[in-house]
Amino acid sequence: EIVLTQSPDFQSVTPKEKVTITCRASQSVGSTLHWYRQKPNQSPELLIKFASQSVSGVPSKFSGSGSGTDFTLTISSLEVEDAATYYCHQSSALPQTFGQGTKVEIK
Amino acid sequence: QVQLQESGPRLVKPSQTLSLTCSVSGGSITSGDSYWSWIRQPPGKGLQWIGYINYNQYNPSLSGQTYYTPSLKSRLTISADTSRNQFSLYLSSVTDADTAVYYCARYDSGLFDSWGLGALVAVSS
Repeated sequence: EIVLTQSPDFQSVTPKEKVTITCRASQSVGSTLHWYRQKPNQSPELLIKFASQSVSGVPSKFSGSGSGTDFTLTISSLEVEDAATYYCHQSSALPQTFGQGTKVEIK
Repeated sequence: QVQLQESGPRLVKPSQTLSLTCSVSGGSITSGDSYWSWIRQPPGKGLQWIGYINYNQYNPSLSGQTYYTPSLKSRLTISADTSRNQFSLYLSSVTDADTAVYYCARYDSGLFDSWGLGALVAVSS
């Protein structure tokens, strides 16, 4: 099973600040790494697909980079509505796996 | 855009079988090449993919194939009723560790692009 490890586990951020979340895979997943945002008491929603591809309807403040085993999600300017837990997900191999999540809190 | 909705008992006794159904609207589960999925999230914890069932209109011989996460495979069944545009999860011999929010989702082109609202199922006597 491919293990995805996110860092940090928790981040407290001021509005308009830049946020960077990393996801490291235990083995190469190529570019089959996706990012989701889960707001409190809601379902996850897709933010970035295939490491760096934008998703229709998702604000351009969200961007992704990386390939192989190391990936980054960047929020260029955090807004209050971005308080959520962020997950990476790999679809390179079964079983599908998710990172443990990074909780982003607004200061 | 498809919409998904989970339904089923929210309280299950230990050792019994947890069963949930996902109703799909806005598209047929037999169209395209999609994998109709279950994902769960224990309270306060992260996401765990449980398994999915595939329907492939371009290669019908592959339709109905299921894929399960190894840790649950011995207790898990995912099936579908194409006439009702629904798919279901059956998890047997449940324990407290199976208490979670269960989401149904569509897996298409390598990612989960549509999710249900989730159903919290508690295992308790």
